[in-house]
Amino acid sequence: AQRVTQPEKLLSVFKGAPVELKCNYSYSGSPELFWYVQYSRQRLQLLLRHISRESIKGFTADLNKGETSFHLKKPFAQEEDSAMYYCALSSPTGRRALTFGSGTRLQVQP
Amino acid sequence: NAGVMQNPRHLVRRRGQEARLRCSPMKGHSHVYWYRQLPEEGLKFMVYLQKENIIDESGMPKERFSAEFPKEGPSILRIQQVVRGDSAAYFCASSPMGSTDTQYFGPGTRLTVL
Repeated sequence: AQRVTQPEKLLSVFKGAPVELKCNYSYSGSPELFWYVQYSRQRLQLLLRHISRESIKGFTADLNKGETSFHLKKPFAQEEDSAMYYCALSSPTGRRALTFGSGTRLQVQP
Repeated sequence: NAGVMQNPRHLVRRRGQEARLRCSPMKGHSHVYWYRQLPEEGLKFMVYLQKENIIDESGMPKERFSAEFPKEGPSILRIQQVVRGDSAAYFCASSPMGSTDTQYFGPGTRLTVL
C-alpha cells in the first residue's frame, strides 16, 4: 500500500533560518511526488512537483529513492512562508489520485 | 477563471439526514476528484470522476456515499443518513485531462453532523 509520512506536526523557526520539512513515502515502483501548501484562509495549492525540478518561492525538494524521501527545503525562511504543508504522491500512470501525508504546520517567527 | 467552486462552504446536518456537496470544476476541466479530511489527518482520496463516468471509487465507503458528475452541472457528493463520523472537510479538485495534470483544489465544504 502506498503511504506518505510527515513526522512533524509543527515546525517553528525564526526568520532567516533554514527550513527542512520531512517527507517519507512507501510505494512499490516510481511514484510522482508533490508538495502542496495551504496558507491561512486560502485553498490548497501546488507548491512543486519532483518531475519539474523547479524552485518555487525559494523552496526545493529532491527525490531520494534510496531513502524514499522527498524533503522540502528552503535556506532562509520568511514570515510569509508560515502555512500548512502537505507532501503527496501519485502513481505516474493510472488514476492519479493523490495520497497525502498528515501535514506539517510551519511557523516562521520574526 | 474563478477556480474550483464548492458549496456550501459549511453544512450542518442532524444524524440521519442527507448531505449534498457540490463542486464546480474550473472552466475546461472535465476530471473531478473528491477527498475527505478528518481532524488532524491528511486528505484521503474518495472518488475520481469524468463527465458522466465514475473512474475510480476505491476510496468511497461502500454504503451511504455516492458521487456523480453529470453532463451538465456540478459534481455532487451525496451522503445519506449521516452519522457523527461523517463530520469532516470535503475537498474537490479538478484537472483538465486527468492523467498527467496538476489538480486544482476548491476551498472545501466543512460538514458538521450534530
